[in-house]
Amino acid sequence: SQTIHQWPATLVQPVGSPLSLECTVEGTSNPNLYWYRQAAGRGLQLLFYSIGIDQISSEVPQNLSASRPQDRQFILSSKKLLLSDSGFYLCALEEPRQGGYTFGSGTRLTVV
Amino acid sequence: SQQGEEDPQALSIQEGENATMNCSYKTSINNLQWYRQNSGRGLVHLILIRSNEREKHSGRLRVTLDTSKKSSSLLITASRAADTASYFCATDGGSYIPTFGRGTSLIVHP
Repeated sequence: SQTIHQWPATLVQPVGSPLSLECTVEGTSNPNLYWYRQAAGRGLQLLFYSIGIDQISSEVPQNLSASRPQDRQFILSSKKLLLSDSGFYLCALEEPRQGGYTFGSGTRLTVV
Repeated sequence: SQQGEEDPQALSIQEGENATMNCSYKTSINNLQWYRQNSGRGLVHLILIRSNEREKHSGRLRVTLDTSKKSSSLLITASRAADTASYFCATDGGSYIPTFGRGTSLIVHP
């Protein structure tokens, strides 16, 4: 079965510091991968999606970037964090056979 | 922009009662999905209903889809305290990329 790993679970970073959140998947190859952000009490905002290695699409202009150096690795980065980057970041994997998406456990990022 | 919007934003019921949540969307879809999120956790996929389906069941869950009204409902029967969570609908807007609403926060009192 497909599994998705996301870390760290929580992160507190100062404004202006860099960011790297990693998401890895197991049990599948060539998956479609997604990064979402959820602000407190809000829905999920799609940030990036990837259909393959080095193939990244960005949904909204922002202070973040994403990379997919390997088939099962999806990384969310920032060179300099802003206060507005605080939120709950979720990585997701598409389940082509049954439909729907499997989500990682999320990273709670607080920029101070 | 957000495609799906859930209603109500918050719902508080007693254990044993049924909970109904609604989702409205704006553009044509290939499928609609419902997810559950416990506080501070990732989302868990509950059920997917395709645009050519009208109703689907999974355990105590019943999902309906009315494409003419661009709406869906999620019914949880005989609710339990463990059903307390936020529930989201996600639609693909025809692009196979899901967009989520703000969710319905459900509290089931024991």
